Amino acid sequence: GDSVTQMEGPVTLSEEAFLTINCTYTATGYPSLFWYVQYPGEGLQLLLKATKADDKGSNKGFEATYRKETTSFHLEKGSVQVSDSAVYFCALSDDKIIFGKGTRLHILP
Amino acid sequence: DGGITQSPKYLFRKEGQNVTLSCEQNLNHDAMYWYRQDPGQGLRLIYYSQIVNDFQKGDIAEGYSVSREKKESFPLTVTSAQKNPTAFYLCASSIEKGTGYGYTFGSGTRLTVV
Repeated sequence: GDSVTQMEGPVTLSEEAFLTINCTYTATGYPSLFWYVQYPGEGLQLLLKATKADDKGSNKGFEATYRKETTSFHLEKGSVQVSDSAVYFCALSDDKIIFGKGTRLHILP
Repeated sequence: DGGITQSPKYLFRKEGQNVTLSCEQNLNHDAMYWYRQDPGQGLRLIYYSQIVNDFQKGDIAEGYSVSREKKESFPLTVTSAQKNPTAFYLCASSIEKGTGYGYTFGSGTRLTVV
């Protein structure tokens, strides 16, 4: 069946560092891909999405490109801030949305 | 503003009790979902509903029940049959099942057995 694998955390970076959180997927069809963010004690918020191959989703300085050839959707940000500390979930949507297990990100001032 | 409202934010349950978690949306979305979140395990699907008066079991439905009498509402009951109910519960909705629009989530209910 369809699945999402993302890098295990926690990931700890200093402020202004470059961020990459890896995400790969397995799907039989042509799913849409998402990144969600969860701040402590809250629900998930949609961060960005891409609906077809080679699409780039972007929001709040975060980017991810739908790579069909490598079945990947890695999340990147050029300069992280303390306020980016959260749990990030990669997900795919085919018949239903399937979430990865989440990656906790800590940004140190 | 449109969104999903979950209540209460914190809920305490005694052994052997049933409790009901509320989920209301004013987004006019057809599909609604309940997830359970445990530390280190991501999100697991409990139940989902695509239309009023219809719902389907997810991956971990045992010990839970739902109803969908109105489009806006999708309450979840955690029954006494659920042996380990302490978790964070998230409700979500989407325009329709399996779309590229993604889900909108509520802010969650944290359930603790005392």
